[in-house]
Amino acid sequence: DVKVTQSSRYLVKRTGEKVFLECVQDMDHENMFWYRQDPGLGLRLIYFSYDVKMKEKGDIPEGYSVSREKKERFSLILESASTNQTSMYLCASSLEWGDTEAFFGQGTRLTVV
Amino acid sequence: GESVGLHLPTLSVQEGDNSIINCAYSNSASDYFIWYKQESGKGPQFIIDIRSNMDKRQGQRVTVLLNKTVKHLSLQIAATQPGDSAVYFCAENIDTGGGNKLTFGTGTQLKVEL
Repeated sequence: DVKVTQSSRYLVKRTGEKVFLECVQDMDHENMFWYRQDPGLGLRLIYFSYDVKMKEKGDIPEGYSVSREKKERFSLILESASTNQTSMYLCASSLEWGDTEAFFGQGTRLTVV
Repeated sequence: GESVGLHLPTLSVQEGDNSIINCAYSNSASDYFIWYKQESGKGPQFIIDIRSNMDKRQGQRVTVLLNKTVKHLSLQIAATQPGDSAVYFCAENIDTGGGNKLTFGTGTQLKVEL
């Protein structure tokens, strides 16, 4: 089975802190995605990556950056956390170009205080 | 801007009835449309997809219909069961030239009443 693992289930950070959310997949998938999920807004795409060191902006990239130094790992970085970044963050991966089946991690509930 | 999904927030059905969940989209450049199911406390899970040049696709107890004329997508679930209770998202897959952008709608909560 494909496994997508997010490093933390719950996280509490202070305003202004630099925050790293880590995601690892174990199936050699090319594509990886970061979303945030908020009530009434569904899943919104922050960034995605289709290969090592490649990244593309999603619909809401402001305030975030990403890093993909290894194929299996995709990191989401909040350079200076703000309270409006309190959310559920979901990482996903899919096998290759054109693949519509994405596998999701359990999510990280981030609270910025 | 581009958008996927104008959902009713909640749909209630009786166990055994058929469910129809609807979604509207605005981006005609989408390659595929996809339905995902999210159970409480879990990440979304793939259900079925449909290529943009198709009108209908059937899976096990599910059927997806695509009407490109009115930019409408629906998911039909036959003989709805309590285990079908979840939030359902429509999504679209767009080839950006550099990768596949997978974007989701706002979701519909399906409640199955016994």
